[in-house]
Amino acid sequence: KAGVTQTPRYLIKTRGQQVTLSCSPISGHRSVSWYQQTPGQGLQFLFEYFSETQRNKGNFPGRFSGRQFSNSRSEMNVSTLELGDSALYLCASSSGQGAGRTEAFFGQGTRLTVV
Amino acid sequence: QKEVEQDPGPLSVPEGAIVSLNCTYSNSAFQYFMWYRQYSRKGPELLMYTYSSGNKEDGRFTAQVDKSSKYISLFIRDSQPSDSATYLCAMSSSNQGAQKLVFGQGTRLTINP
Repeated sequence: KAGVTQTPRYLIKTRGQQVTLSCSPISGHRSVSWYQQTPGQGLQFLFEYFSETQRNKGNFPGRFSGRQFSNSRSEMNVSTLELGDSALYLCASSSGQGAGRTEAFFGQGTRLTVV
Repeated sequence: QKEVEQDPGPLSVPEGAIVSLNCTYSNSAFQYFMWYRQYSRKGPELLMYTYSSGNKEDGRFTAQVDKSSKYISLFIRDSQPSDSATYLCAMSSSNQGAQKLVFGQGTRLTINP
């Protein structure tokens, strides 16, 4: 069974640009969540999508947005990049319903560097 | 004060030792508790997943949850050099839907041969 796939693995962007990250969840999983990991703040929740609808949202500015497609694949977009957006962005996949619905499996992450 | 507190370490122990990792939390609504292992430049790997209070064992790993004390633990028996990694506790409340995991800062563990 394939795991969670995130692309690209590495990105270097210039301040002010925008970026789109992609996540393909485990087959059959309908929930995709995004997290930002930095040395100072650790892992912080960005948002969660379930069946193409945003179900939860963390405390991040509106520059951070996402969407989910009918095949459960998800994209995350960050506009007007700032130096502080440099981080490892992680995608987590879960069934999203029933027993074990919070059991989350992570991808390898996309390391974003803003220069 | 953070919702989840975890000693960042670093923690260094000899091979074969029993390792104890702990987290405390303040939100009594948390009902789902997880431990993840993260190697350098990799995504977190789910080790243990428990619901409410009690113990769960999987091979060399044992997870304990004490909701009355708001305290969770992960024990690693017969520790191996390959266990060297950062260990993250995470938790979630049932009324947050499937996911809004709140993580501890992570404990960096080194097992010395």
